[in-house]
Amino acid sequence: GENVEQHPSTLSVQEGDSAVIKCTYSDSASNYFPWYKQELGKRPQLIIDIRSNVGEKKDQRIAVTLNKTAKHFSLHITETQPEDSAVYFCAASGRNTGFQKLVFGTGTRLLVSP
Amino acid sequence: EAQVTQNPRYLITVTGKKLTVTCSQNMNHEYMSWYRQDPGLGLRQIYYSMNVEVTDKGDVPEGYKVSRKEKRNFPLILESPSPNQTSLYFCASSWFGTGNNEQFFGPGTRLTVL
Repeated sequence: GENVEQHPSTLSVQEGDSAVIKCTYSDSASNYFPWYKQELGKRPQLIIDIRSNVGEKKDQRIAVTLNKTAKHFSLHITETQPEDSAVYFCAASGRNTGFQKLVFGTGTRLLVSP
Repeated sequence: EAQVTQNPRYLITVTGKKLTVTCSQNMNHEYMSWYRQDPGLGLRQIYYSMNVEVTDKGDVPEGYKVSRKEKRNFPLILESPSPNQTSLYFCASSWFGTGNNEQFFGPGTRLTVL
């Protein structure tokens, strides 16, 4: 089955810096890659996703890139702000379960210091 | 208001005492899923359901049961809870298939088994 590895486990940056979180997946059939943000004590919420027919997707200060050949994808956050502090999870899924059987990475705790 | 609800939010119980955690969504989603979240392990899928009367095992199904008799409800049953099932549990729902695959999470249920 699918296995998703996520790095780093913790990431500390200064406000205004960029942050990059990387994930690798094992199943070449996976073709849907969402990123979820979980603030302290809250539920995970989708922030951006990408499908395998696209190499990059942007939404304001966040972007996701996908390298299908290398089987890795990354989350990029520019001009970080204290409210970006949270745990971020990557995930991968395949078409055979309607893109819903998500396998999550172990999470990255991002701390943005003012 | 579109939402996923879970009850109870907090539960302390003893080994072997059967319990049920309820999950309900009002968005007419076909897909529902249960995850457990443990420190350092991320979100791991327990069971999922792609529609009424259609359920399947996720990655960590041992010790759990589910049912999907109605589209909106997807209860998680622990027939004989053990301390290693102490965890934070999330229910999630989404549309099935291509298009908008965002999974909407419930608020979580923190379970402690003594």
